[in-house]
Amino acid sequence: EAGVTQFPSHSVIEKGQTVTLRCDPISGHDNLYWYRRVMGKEIKFLLHFVKESKQDESGMPNNRFLAERTGGTYSTLKVQPAELEDSGVYFCASSQGYGGRSYNSPLHFGNGTRLTVT
Amino acid sequence: TQLLEQSPQFLSIQEGENLTVYCNSSSVFSSLQWYRQEPGEGPVLLVTVVTGGEVKKLKRLTFQFGDARKDSSLHITAAQPGDTGLYLCAGERGGSSNTGKLIFGQGTTLQVKP
Repeated sequence: EAGVTQFPSHSVIEKGQTVTLRCDPISGHDNLYWYRRVMGKEIKFLLHFVKESKQDESGMPNNRFLAERTGGTYSTLKVQPAELEDSGVYFCASSQGYGGRSYNSPLHFGNGTRLTVT
Repeated sequence: TQLLEQSPQFLSIQEGENLTVYCNSSSVFSSLQWYRQEPGEGPVLLVTVVTGGEVKKLKRLTFQFGDARKDSSLHITAAQPGDTGLYLCAGERGGSSNTGKLIFGQGTTLQVKP
């Protein structure tokens, strides 16, 4: 099966511009997650979709970030306007099923999008 | 505040040596996962431990979950250059709403020299 794919792999934008990251989960995976790793820090949770619904968006840093998953398939994460501190690697992950623990339905990560805001 | 402390952050050893990576917290986790990440790729799950005191083995890798489910360790026996990479621990807290919401350690960069 195809893995989680993310596009673009790299993006360099100027402060104040808008960037949209895309994630295509593994087909049939209801759960979709966004995570982020900024320089020198650990990977941190941003939000969790179950199908098209936001299950948990407690990790979203502020209202400049908007995540969508229309139709419960692919997801986009828009940053508008981008700030310098938004630079980092954005990971998407997906898993099967709904509810339960992640050890019952392991996360599959994409290769990430490296965002650089200058 | 770092919820999951991983140590060491960097480790450079010779082929054939043994090593242990630690992941510690003051919080209880319902499960603890270990990932390996290669440059330019996403984390890949190695193992999940769920029960306090649980030990799992994956070839030369041994994973242990602390009795109180607050800490975990990864031990590699006779390290090989192919073991080189970034190792990450990640914990999942209890509560039905936290499915898949992982708390990561900062990672251990391992270099095994031939």
